[in-house]
Amino acid sequence: NAGVTQTPKFQVLKTGQSMTLQCAQDMNHNSMYWYRQDPGMGLRLIYYSASEGTTDKGEVPNGYNVSRLNKREFSLRLESAAPSQTSVYFCASRPDARLGTEAFFGQGTRLTVV
Amino acid sequence: KNQVEQSPQSLIILEGKNCTLQCNYTVSPFSNLRWYKQDTGRGPVSLTIMTFSENTKSNGRYTATLDADTKQSSLHITASQLSDSASYICVVSGGSGGGADGLTFGKGTHLIIQP
Repeated sequence: NAGVTQTPKFQVLKTGQSMTLQCAQDMNHNSMYWYRQDPGMGLRLIYYSASEGTTDKGEVPNGYNVSRLNKREFSLRLESAAPSQTSVYFCASRPDARLGTEAFFGQGTRLTVV
Repeated sequence: KNQVEQSPQSLIILEGKNCTLQCNYTVSPFSNLRWYKQDTGRGPVSLTIMTFSENTKSNGRYTATLDADTKQSSLHITASQLSDSASYICVVSGGSGGGADGLTFGKGTHLIIQP
């Protein structure tokens, strides 16, 4: 049972470089989410896709873009990385976007921007 | 504003001892509350879900309680094991005008079990 798979697990970028974080789920879930986790803070929503073909901004979308490639895959792109984007990024999926449905998380991507 | 406050921020106990983690929330209207366990370097994994009508629910050595009137929940760990070392995150679902995902995350309690 793979669940939610994220790649890469670790990445170091120089300021101004770009990269794409990949996420795939094999649970046939409709909704997918990207969060960042910083020390001393709760998980914060960056972008989400309630269903295939739709994407919307979350709480902290600046500096990021997303693509819902198909029902399984949801990628997060940093066009010009900044040190403030140093964080651990988690992808999550849910059966749908209704209140109360359980979120299943990937293992995370630890990103350092120098 | 929807908020979830967890206490303590961190806790160190000896293996075999019990402990209780607290979660207070102001999310309204309330849908449910989940406790997640996050091992170091891993993503959060759901331990238990509490709905409005439930007061207590157990999952092995983990017992969660919910008092919907006072908007408080607790997670009690019995006979702790080294593998219980992790962060425990309280997540409340619901809230009007809250996050687009309908979730409000606590900052977590970092639990360390010492041999």
